[in-house]
Amino acid sequence: DSGVTQTPKHLITATGQRVTLRCSPRSGDLSVYWYQQSLDQGLQFLIQYYNGEERAKGNILERFSAQQFPDLHSELNLSSLELGDSALYFCASSAPGRRNTEAFFGQGTRLTVV
Amino acid sequence: AQSVTQLDSQVPVFEEAPVELRCNYSSSVSVYLFWYVQYPNQGLQLLLKYLSGSTLVESINGFEAEFNKSQTSFHLRKPSVHISDTAEYFCAGEGGFKTIFGAGTRLFVKA
Repeated sequence: DSGVTQTPKHLITATGQRVTLRCSPRSGDLSVYWYQQSLDQGLQFLIQYYNGEERAKGNILERFSAQQFPDLHSELNLSSLELGDSALYFCASSAPGRRNTEAFFGQGTRLTVV
Repeated sequence: AQSVTQLDSQVPVFEEAPVELRCNYSSSVSVYLFWYVQYPNQGLQLLLKYLSGSTLVESINGFEAEFNKSQTSFHLRKPSVHISDTAEYFCAGEGGFKTIFGAGTRLFVKA
Protein backbone atom coordinates (compact mmCIF):
# COMPACT_ATOMS: atom_id res chain seq x y z
CA ASP A 1 0.00 0.00 0.00
CA SER A 2 1.56 3.26 -1.18
CA GLY A 3 -0.56 5.43 1.09
CA VAL A 4 -2.10 7.27 -1.85
CA THR A 5 -5.82 6.71 -2.20
CA GLN A 6 -7.78 7.20 -5.36
CA THR A 7 -11.53 7.01 -5.76
CA PRO A 8 -13.40 5.65 -7.51
CA LYS A 9 -11.47 2.63 -8.77
CA HIS A 10 -13.67 2.25 -11.82
CA LEU A 11 -15.92 4.68 -13.62
CA ILE A 12 -18.09 4.14 -16.66
CA THR A 13 -19.78 7.13 -18.21
CA ALA A 14 -21.18 8.35 -21.50
CA THR A 15 -19.67 10.74 -23.99
CA GLY A 16 -20.33 14.38 -23.22
CA GLN A 17 -20.52 13.80 -19.49
CA ARG A 18 -18.37 15.22 -16.70
CA VAL A 19 -16.61 13.25 -13.98
CA THR A 20 -14.48 14.01 -10.95
CA LEU A 21 -11.61 11.83 -9.83
CA ARG A 22 -10.36 12.16 -6.31
CA CYS A 23 -6.95 11.63 -4.78
CA SER A 24 -5.77 11.66 -1.18
CA PRO A 25 -1.98 11.91 -0.97
CA ARG A 26 0.24 10.24 1.59
CA SER A 27 0.21 11.90 4.96
CA GLY A 28 2.67 14.79 4.91
CA ASP A 29 3.13 14.91 1.14
CA LEU A 30 2.56 18.34 -0.33
CA SER A 31 2.94 17.51 -4.01
CA VAL A 32 0.24 15.79 -6.03
CA TYR A 33 0.67 14.71 -9.62
CA TRP A 34 -1.90 13.47 -12.11
CA TYR A 35 -1.04 11.10 -14.94
CA GLN A 36 -3.04 9.54 -17.73
CA GLN A 37 -2.09 6.07 -18.93
CA SER A 38 -3.52 4.76 -22.17
CA LEU A 39 -2.48 1.98 -24.49
CA ASP A 40 -1.62 4.25 -27.38
CA GLN A 41 0.06 7.12 -25.52
CA GLY A 42 1.63 5.47 -22.52
CA LEU A 43 2.04 7.39 -19.28
CA GLN A 44 1.40 11.09 -19.78
CA PHE A 45 1.98 13.74 -17.14
CA LEU A 46 -1.05 15.99 -16.79
CA ILE A 47 -0.50 18.40 -13.95
CA GLN A 48 1.20 18.91 -10.61
CA TYR A 49 0.10 20.80 -7.52
CA TYR A 50 2.25 21.76 -4.59
CA ASN A 51 0.59 22.84 -1.36
CA GLY A 52 -2.52 24.04 -3.13
CA GLU A 53 -0.88 25.80 -6.03
CA GLU A 54 -0.36 24.63 -9.58
CA ARG A 55 3.34 23.87 -10.05
CA ALA A 56 3.69 22.30 -13.46
CA LYS A 57 1.49 21.53 -16.41
CA GLY A 58 1.88 18.78 -18.95
CA ASN A 59 -0.29 17.48 -21.73
CA ILE A 60 -3.56 18.38 -20.08
CA LEU A 61 -6.53 19.18 -22.30
CA GLU A 62 -8.55 22.33 -21.77
CA ARG A 63 -11.55 20.12 -21.00
CA PHE A 64 -9.65 18.85 -17.98
CA SER A 65 -8.94 20.76 -14.81
CA ALA A 66 -7.62 20.00 -11.39
CA GLN A 67 -7.27 21.55 -8.00
CA GLN A 68 -5.69 20.82 -4.66
CA PHE A 69 -7.63 21.70 -1.55
CA PRO A 70 -6.38 23.03 1.81
CA ASP A 71 -6.42 19.51 3.25
CA LEU A 72 -4.12 18.59 0.32
CA HIS A 73 -6.45 16.18 -1.39
CA SER A 74 -6.82 16.76 -5.08
CA GLU A 75 -9.53 16.39 -7.68
CA LEU A 76 -9.23 15.97 -11.42
CA ASN A 77 -12.27 17.12 -13.36
CA LEU A 78 -12.85 15.78 -16.84
CA SER A 79 -15.63 17.33 -18.90
CA SER A 80 -17.22 16.89 -22.33
CA LEU A 81 -15.84 13.40 -22.27
CA GLU A 82 -14.87 11.67 -25.48
CA LEU A 83 -14.24 8.01 -26.23
CA GLY A 84 -10.53 8.76 -26.42
CA ASP A 85 -10.49 9.88 -22.79
CA SER A 86 -10.90 6.27 -21.71
CA ALA A 87 -7.75 5.51 -19.76
CA LEU A 88 -6.25 4.78 -16.40
CA TYR A 89 -5.74 7.96 -14.40
CA PHE A 90 -3.09 7.88 -11.73
CA CYS A 91 -2.45 10.21 -8.88
CA ALA A 92 0.94 10.33 -7.21
CA SER A 93 2.30 12.26 -4.29
CA SER A 94 5.73 13.14 -3.03
CA ALA A 95 7.22 14.62 0.09
CA PRO A 96 8.17 18.27 0.54
CA GLY A 97 11.40 19.23 -1.08
CA ARG A 98 12.18 20.14 -4.57
CA ARG A 99 14.20 17.15 -5.70
CA ASN A 100 15.42 13.72 -4.87
CA THR A 101 11.99 12.58 -3.92
CA GLU A 102 10.28 9.57 -5.34
CA ALA A 103 6.63 9.64 -6.24
CA PHE A 104 4.18 7.26 -4.61
CA PHE A 105 1.37 6.19 -6.88
CA GLY A 106 -2.22 5.32 -6.15
CA GLN A 107 -3.89 2.30 -7.71
CA GLY A 108 -5.52 4.46 -10.34
CA THR A 109 -9.03 5.16 -11.56
CA ARG A 110 -10.03 3.31 -14.69
CA LEU A 111 -12.30 5.54 -16.73
CA THR A 112 -14.35 4.03 -19.52
CA VAL A 113 -16.27 6.38 -21.78
CA VAL A 114 -18.99 4.71 -23.83
CA ALA B 1 13.31 19.18 -25.11
CA GLN B 2 13.16 17.12 -21.98
CA SER B 3 12.69 13.47 -22.75
CA VAL B 4 13.28 9.99 -21.49
CA THR B 5 13.45 7.31 -24.14
CA GLN B 6 12.97 3.63 -23.57
CA LEU B 7 14.28 1.88 -26.61
CA ASP B 8 12.25 -1.31 -26.38
CA SER B 9 8.49 -1.45 -26.00
CA GLN B 10 8.47 -5.18 -25.25
CA VAL B 11 11.15 -7.57 -24.10
CA PRO B 12 10.32 -11.27 -24.01
CA VAL B 13 12.83 -13.42 -22.16
CA PHE B 14 13.01 -16.93 -20.75
CA GLU B 15 13.08 -17.52 -17.02
CA GLU B 16 16.57 -17.45 -15.48
CA ALA B 17 17.98 -15.59 -18.48
CA PRO B 18 19.61 -12.16 -18.10
CA VAL B 19 17.77 -9.06 -19.23
CA GLU B 20 18.59 -5.44 -19.99
CA LEU B 21 15.98 -2.73 -20.37
CA ARG B 22 17.40 0.30 -22.07
CA CYS B 23 16.79 3.91 -21.15
CA ASN B 24 18.29 7.12 -22.48
CA TYR B 25 17.60 10.59 -21.23
CA SER B 26 18.04 13.98 -22.84
CA SER B 27 20.69 16.26 -21.45
CA SER B 28 17.99 18.72 -20.34
CA VAL B 29 16.68 16.14 -17.88
CA SER B 30 18.42 16.33 -14.56
CA VAL B 31 20.54 13.43 -13.41
CA TYR B 32 18.01 12.33 -10.83
CA LEU B 33 16.90 9.13 -12.50
CA PHE B 34 14.43 6.46 -11.49
CA TRP B 35 13.10 3.11 -12.53
CA TYR B 36 9.50 2.30 -11.63
CA VAL B 37 7.73 -1.03 -12.01
CA GLN B 38 4.04 -1.55 -12.65
CA TYR B 39 2.63 -5.01 -12.01
CA PRO B 40 -0.67 -5.93 -13.67
CA ASN B 41 -3.63 -3.96 -12.33
CA GLN B 42 -1.49 -1.95 -9.95
CA GLY B 43 0.00 1.50 -9.73
CA LEU B 44 3.65 2.28 -10.29
CA GLN B 45 6.15 1.70 -7.53
CA LEU B 46 9.74 2.76 -7.27
CA LEU B 47 12.29 0.09 -8.11
CA LEU B 48 15.51 2.06 -7.71
CA LYS B 49 16.89 5.55 -8.12
CA TYR B 50 20.12 7.35 -8.87
CA LEU B 51 20.71 10.68 -7.21
CA SER B 52 24.48 10.95 -6.90
CA GLY B 53 27.52 8.96 -5.87
CA SER B 54 28.12 5.45 -7.12
CA THR B 55 26.93 5.06 -10.69
CA LEU B 56 25.63 1.56 -9.99
CA VAL B 57 22.43 1.34 -7.98
CA GLU B 58 20.67 -1.80 -6.87
CA SER B 59 17.20 -2.80 -5.83
CA ILE B 60 16.26 -5.35 -3.20
CA ASN B 61 14.97 -7.84 -5.76
CA GLY B 62 18.12 -8.23 -7.83
CA PHE B 63 17.75 -5.44 -10.38
CA GLU B 64 20.51 -2.93 -10.91
CA ALA B 65 20.93 0.13 -13.08
CA GLU B 66 24.04 1.98 -14.14
CA PHE B 67 24.17 5.70 -14.69
CA ASN B 68 26.35 6.54 -17.67
CA LYS B 69 26.76 10.27 -18.12
CA SER B 70 28.74 10.14 -21.35
CA GLN B 71 26.09 7.99 -23.02
CA THR B 72 23.17 9.66 -21.18
CA SER B 73 21.87 6.23 -20.31
CA PHE B 74 20.41 4.51 -17.28
CA HIS B 75 19.88 0.91 -18.36
CA LEU B 76 18.22 -1.59 -16.04
CA ARG B 77 19.64 -5.10 -15.74
CA LYS B 78 18.99 -8.33 -13.96
CA PRO B 79 21.28 -11.37 -14.31
CA SER B 80 18.50 -13.94 -13.88
CA VAL B 81 14.81 -13.12 -14.21
CA HIS B 82 11.82 -14.84 -12.62
CA ILE B 83 8.28 -15.27 -13.83
CA SER B 84 7.24 -12.82 -11.15
CA ASP B 85 9.31 -10.07 -12.81
CA THR B 86 6.74 -9.91 -15.60
CA ALA B 87 5.60 -6.30 -15.48
CA GLU B 88 5.93 -2.96 -17.19
CA TYR B 89 9.02 -0.95 -16.34
CA PHE B 90 9.24 2.81 -16.60
CA CYS B 91 12.40 4.85 -16.66
CA ALA B 92 11.97 8.39 -15.37
CA GLY B 93 13.97 11.52 -14.83
CA GLU B 94 13.34 14.83 -13.25
CA GLY B 95 12.59 17.76 -15.54
CA GLY B 96 11.91 21.00 -13.75
CA PHE B 97 9.33 20.33 -11.08
CA LYS B 98 7.92 17.24 -12.66
CA THR B 99 8.95 13.66 -13.28
CA ILE B 100 9.23 12.73 -16.93
CA PHE B 101 8.49 9.12 -17.75
CA GLY B 102 9.56 7.02 -20.68
CA ALA B 103 6.95 5.13 -22.66
CA GLY B 104 7.55 1.95 -20.70
CA THR B 105 8.99 -1.46 -21.52
CA ARG B 106 6.86 -4.52 -21.05
CA LEU B 107 8.99 -7.37 -19.71
CA PHE B 108 7.46 -10.75 -20.36
CA VAL B 109 9.19 -13.68 -18.69
CA LYS B 110 8.42 -17.07 -20.19
CA ALA B 111 8.81 -20.44 -18.48
